[in-house]
Amino acid sequence: DSGVTQTPKHLITATGQRVTLRCSPRSGDLSVYWYQQSLDQGLQFLIQYYNGEERAKGNILERFSAQQFPDLHSELNLSSLELGDSALYFCASSQRGAYSPLHFGNGTRLTVT
Amino acid sequence: TQLLEQSPQFLSIQEGENLTVYCNSSSVFSSLQWYRQEPGEGPVLLVTVVTGGEVKKLKRLTFQFGDARKDSSLHITAAQPGDTGLYLCAGTNTGNQFYFGTGTSLTVIP
Repeated sequence: DSGVTQTPKHLITATGQRVTLRCSPRSGDLSVYWYQQSLDQGLQFLIQYYNGEERAKGNILERFSAQQFPDLHSELNLSSLELGDSALYFCASSQRGAYSPLHFGNGTRLTVT
Repeated sequence: TQLLEQSPQFLSIQEGENLTVYCNSSSVFSSLQWYRQEPGEGPVLLVTVVTGGEVKKLKRLTFQFGDARKDSSLHITAAQPGDTGLYLCAGTNTGNQFYFGTGTSLTVIP
């Protein structure tokens, strides 16, 4: 158990809809990262937060947004969903420190029909 | 964008064979991490290498960081079915950013 909790585990929705994915980081971790993983592909970095502030942005679409709340949990909002958005979405957290590893949740599998 | 290329992309071997996975980049990293991901789960850290030329062993797995800190390799001796999974390398910089490789999907056949 990594200590990172993601909900929901599965999500099935229609094109054009909007969904919210939730992540609770490990206790004490201030950094939260969001990644997208499509079938048989590596991890595509979306966005990073540190203690409530956006720290880095990757290949995140304008239809996607995220935030980290004062209690350090984070939400990833996906809107105007398209079939190509179907993927596994992972949240990871880490401590501050040069060599601190990422601790991943078990992901949310999003299926857009 | 700091790209990490892994090779091979797919690998299917018999139990007991040895294998090496490579992770290459043109960028220098502060450290390099290897993760393994099993179906339905998130990636789990295997090792972190920090110093150029560093070699770390984890049972049958041997990890090496290149002298110039741009590349790494993972060698598995006598592979077991339990080694099956997606292996991901990730380079890190001083800004706590992680750059993941393209992944190597390993299948070990009993």
